[in-house]
Amino acid sequence: AQKVTQAQTEISVVEKEDVTLDCVYETRDTTYYLFWYKQPPSGELVFLIRRNSFDEQNEISGRYSWNFQKSTSSFNFTITASQVVDSAVYFCALSPHNTNAGKSTFGDGTTLTVKP
Amino acid sequence: KAGVTQTPRYLIKTRGQQVTLSCSPISGHRSVSWYQQTPGQGLQFLFEYFSETQRNKGNFPGRFSGRQFSNSRSEMNVSTLELGDSALYLCASSFGQGRPNEKLFFGSGTQLSVL
Repeated sequence: AQKVTQAQTEISVVEKEDVTLDCVYETRDTTYYLFWYKQPPSGELVFLIRRNSFDEQNEISGRYSWNFQKSTSSFNFTITASQVVDSAVYFCALSPHNTNAGKSTFGDGTTLTVKP
Repeated sequence: KAGVTQTPRYLIKTRGQQVTLSCSPISGHRSVSWYQQTPGQGLQFLFEYFSETQRNKGNFPGRFSGRQFSNSRSEMNVSTLELGDSALYLCASSFGQGRPNEKLFFGSGTQLSVL
């Protein structure tokens, strides 16, 4: 069985602070995919990044960066110089190789509030 | 290109009633998945449809059912509503080639309140 844990239920920061959202996963598969999605107040989840289990390179996209560490089964997400528009619920998700992405296992989400 | 469209946006029902939610995927997407989102349980997978066939099913009682039409539009039905069914129901579509690395495109959801 797969499991995704986002231990931080809520995080509140002040604008321009850096913030890291943690994601720890469990799977017996050696091949799998990890995702991050953002859910703004409008409701629809928006894809942010996808990473396969064989690619442990960290990725940076503007103010966003992701740190994938297979040794600790973690896929953490850092927002640098946070902005009010970053306020949303962020979900980490896992899709093992023997299933479809539509059956992904999601964490419970981390609600990020960025105050001006 | 239009996104994933879910209707209605809000719904209020009473216990014992049944409800049907609709999802129109992005044009060209053949896979539609449904998720239930509640504050206490996070996002829980309900089922996934591809080419009018249910491909995967989550751990929900038989009161939850769905179907997909030939144009890939999908509906989910909940019969004999219970208070605990109050949730945001999200629909997601993808190309549906059966790959685990496909991006999911979500609708804004249907907020169901059961009184």
